[in-house]
Amino acid sequence: DARVTQTPRDKVTEMGQEVTMRCQPILGHNTVFWYRQTMMQGLELLAYFRNRAPLDDSGMPKDRFSAEMPDATLATLKIQPSEPRDSAVYFCASGLADTQYFGPGTRLTVL
Amino acid sequence: RKEVEQDPGPFNVPEGATVAFNCTYSNSASQSFFWYRQDCRKEPKLLMSVYSSGNEDGRFTAQLNRASQYISLLIRDSKLSDSATYLCVVAWSATNKLIFGTGTLLAVQP
Repeated sequence: DARVTQTPRDKVTEMGQEVTMRCQPILGHNTVFWYRQTMMQGLELLAYFRNRAPLDDSGMPKDRFSAEMPDATLATLKIQPSEPRDSAVYFCASGLADTQYFGPGTRLTVL
Repeated sequence: RKEVEQDPGPFNVPEGATVAFNCTYSNSASQSFFWYRQDCRKEPKLLMSVYSSGNEDGRFTAQLNRASQYISLLIRDSKLSDSATYLCVVAWSATNKLIFGTGTLLAVQP
């Protein structure tokens, strides 16, 4: 049963530190998405890739966030420097056409 | 105005009840529609796609009204295990982007 995997599952860090989240999409899926979920805002799309090319990162704070897909089996989301307001659950999803499958998420707490 | 709007609930219903959720979307160019389910502290999972003709999957029925830009989900004979947040999702097929509503919380009581 193919699944999207994400690491780490939980991350606690201090303000100012760099955070890197990793995602392994389902083999064969050509789109990869990064979302952030908070109680206040719900699910927000941060960035997405099609065939490893970045298509839209308009939802991402450009000054501190970056998303890359160095190869077809790995997508990364980096925050540098992290701030308390970045505390949220970050989901990666991969898909074909309109159907997306979510990973279990990384729960980030920035103190 | 949010692109996808849902009543946040909570909807508290007894086991066996029928419950309906509604959702409206603002972009008339939206092409694909879905309901996702999210359990507490878990990831969203696709529940069902929504087609113009309406579609049914067991106890779940989804309907789409393009003219009114309205989507619904009906759950019959609700079970305790149906307790979750139900997310209304709209896609613009040209971009594969999914736009999520903030979700409706359902609590099925014994």
